[in-house]
Amino acid sequence: AQSVAQPEDQVNVAEGNPLTVKCTYSVSGNPYLFWYVQYPNRGLQFLLKYITGDNLVKGSYGFEAEFNKSQTSFHLKKPSALVSDSALYFCAVRPNTGGFKTIFGAGTRLFVKA
Amino acid sequence: EAGVVQSPRYKIIEKKQPVAFWCNPISGHNTLYWYLQNLGQGPELLIRYENEEAVDDSQLPKDRFSAERLKGVDSTLKIQPAELGDSAVYLCASSSGTPDTQYFGPGTRLTVL
Repeated sequence: AQSVAQPEDQVNVAEGNPLTVKCTYSVSGNPYLFWYVQYPNRGLQFLLKYITGDNLVKGSYGFEAEFNKSQTSFHLKKPSALVSDSALYFCAVRPNTGGFKTIFGAGTRLFVKA
Repeated sequence: EAGVVQSPRYKIIEKKQPVAFWCNPISGHNTLYWYLQNLGQGPELLIRYENEEAVDDSQLPKDRFSAERLKGVDSTLKIQPAELGDSAVYLCASSSGTPDTQYFGPGTRLTVL
């Protein structure tokens, strides 16, 4: 079965420190990969996506993600965390064959402490 | 550019009552999605439309849920009758092209008492 795993329910980091939110997936083929962020009482907002090409993808608000095909991972990173980055982050995978249904991870809550 | 609009934002109903949610996607977006999001979980697809056609409704509980997208623009999701387990946030999203970056509305938080 196709799946997306975000192994950490919560990530805690001090402001100014680098952050990483992990994502691994089990999807056949070469899927498209996404990160979304959700603030309280808001819908999900698109951060970045990987389609093909350079394994390091840059997105909104200074976030970037590194695609690793051999490890089937797509970890979200930021060099210097801000308190305002505190939110819920979702990794999503869209197979490029079959039903094309996007599969979301369970989410990782990021808490940035001042 | 206006985002995805959903209404109502909150709804509280008694079990066995009907309820309907409305979504207006971003102008020009052909693909529309309805998701269910339970607390502490990621969104789960209920139904996906390409224009007026429902192309993936395999996860929609058809005994009580129904959806329509008339004229390929606005969409309505209905539950009749609602059950306690339907309490969740219902998200609408839209996209255009491939790969489909999805743009989400704020969601409707349903509470069934």
